[in-house]
Amino acid sequence: QKEVEQDPGPLSVPEGAIVSLNCTYSNSAFQYFMWYRQYSRKGPELLMYTYSSGNKEDGRFTAQVDKSSKYISLFIRDSQPSDSATYLCAMSATGGFKTIFGAGTRLFVKA
Amino acid sequence: KAGVTQTPRYLIKTRGQQVTLSCSPISGHRSVSWYQQTPGQGLQFLFEYFSETQRNKGNFPGRFSGRQFSNSRSEMNVSTLELGDSALYLCASSYGGSGYTFGSGTRLTVV
Repeated sequence: QKEVEQDPGPLSVPEGAIVSLNCTYSNSAFQYFMWYRQYSRKGPELLMYTYSSGNKEDGRFTAQVDKSSKYISLFIRDSQPSDSATYLCAMSATGGFKTIFGAGTRLFVKA
Repeated sequence: KAGVTQTPRYLIKTRGQQVTLSCSPISGHRSVSWYQQTPGQGLQFLFEYFSETQRNKGNFPGRFSGRQFSNSRSEMNVSTLELGDSALYLCASSYGGSGYTFGSGTRLTVV
C-alpha cells in the first residue's frame, strides 16, 4: 500500500463547476499538507500549504485536512479552462522536507 | 526574483553512460531536493541537501548520487544508465520548510 493514495482521474468538468480533489494517507506522522499544480512540460507549482487539521482558503481554492480520517481535499470554485492541469497532493512529517507526493489527478475544465 | 534553474532541459544518453544534471536554487534557499517523475511511479524522492550535507535519501540505488556546493547549487549524477532511468528529473528548493519551488526539470531519455 502506498503512503499516499490519489485517484489519477482524469476528471472532466464544465467551466464554472466546483471541483473536489482528494487524497488519503496512511502515515499518522504527516503534519504538513500541500497541493501542487503541474502544467504540461512544467515543474509542479505550490498552490496550498497547511499545517495539521483544518481549512485554508486562498481565492477560488480551499484546502481541507482531516487528520482523524487521514483525508485531505482541495476544492476549486468557479473552475476555469486555465485550471486544466495535474493536481498533486503532498505530505511531510518534517515541515516540507522529504515530501511524499500522490500520483496526481488530471483535471480537464471544458469551456 | 529568479526561480529554480535546471540544466540541461533535455538530454539523450545511451545505456551504460553516466549523466550529470545541474540545479541552481532560488537565492537564499539552502535546501535542495531532487525528485524523479515517471508516468508509472509519479514523483519519487531521490535526496535532499542542506548546507552541502545530504540530509535525506530516498530508495534509489547507489548509481544515483548528488552533491551541493557552498553557493547552494546542486548536481545529481546517474552512473551506468539503464532504460528505466528515463524520466523527468525535478529539482526543488525550499526555505524554512515552507513548501517547494520546483524547476522545470531535465527530461532524460536513455536509449
